[in-house]
Amino acid sequence: QKEVEQNSGPLSVPEGAIASLNCTYSDRGSQSFFWYRQYSGKSPELIMFIYSNGDKEDGRFTAQLNKASQYVSLLIRDSQPSDSATYLCAVNSPDSNYQLIWGAGTKLIIKP
Amino acid sequence: ETGVTQSPTHLIKTRGQQVTLRCSSQSGHNTVSWYQQALGQGPQFIFQYYREEENGRGNFPPRFSGLQFPNYSSELNVNALELDDSALYLCASSRDIGGSYGYTFGSGTRLTVV
Repeated sequence: QKEVEQNSGPLSVPEGAIASLNCTYSDRGSQSFFWYRQYSGKSPELIMFIYSNGDKEDGRFTAQLNKASQYVSLLIRDSQPSDSATYLCAVNSPDSNYQLIWGAGTKLIIKP
Repeated sequence: ETGVTQSPTHLIKTRGQQVTLRCSSQSGHNTVSWYQQALGQGPQFIFQYYREEENGRGNFPPRFSGLQFPNYSSELNVNALELDDSALYLCASSRDIGGSYGYTFGSGTRLTVV
């Protein structure tokens, strides 16, 4: 059973601080890694995707991938109240026809 | 470019009925996948269509079926609805099977089975 694990939270972070969200996955054949943000009652919105080991930065967001440890993380710098949402980690693999396997999400709360 | 659109946005059905959900993929996207998301859970993969052919299916019974049309739009059909089918149904499109540029989601259809 291929799994993606996330801490359900809630993770509470002061406004302006760095929020760190973590995700582990079980399938070593996983190829692509995605972070989505989901506001309550809304559909997931793509934040970032990463394929290679290391860091990928986009504005206030940095995704980090470590395939040896089967670990992917998302850092949010200068956290804003509008960042409060559930963050979902998803991975896919050619071995499973690229279906996205999702974690249950981490609820992030940014406190003003 | 237009995004992914789903219809209807909300639906209430009775147990045992059948339902059809619709999805128009984003312009330039040839792959559509469907997900079921229960409250407080991550989405669960139902199936994926690439160029009108089913290309991968999750752990859902045969009463969940789908179609993709030549314009890459798609339908999800669910027969013999059960109470546990109540969920948010999400459609996502991508430029290719592997989601090399990510997956774009529609706003979802909230299905309630009573």
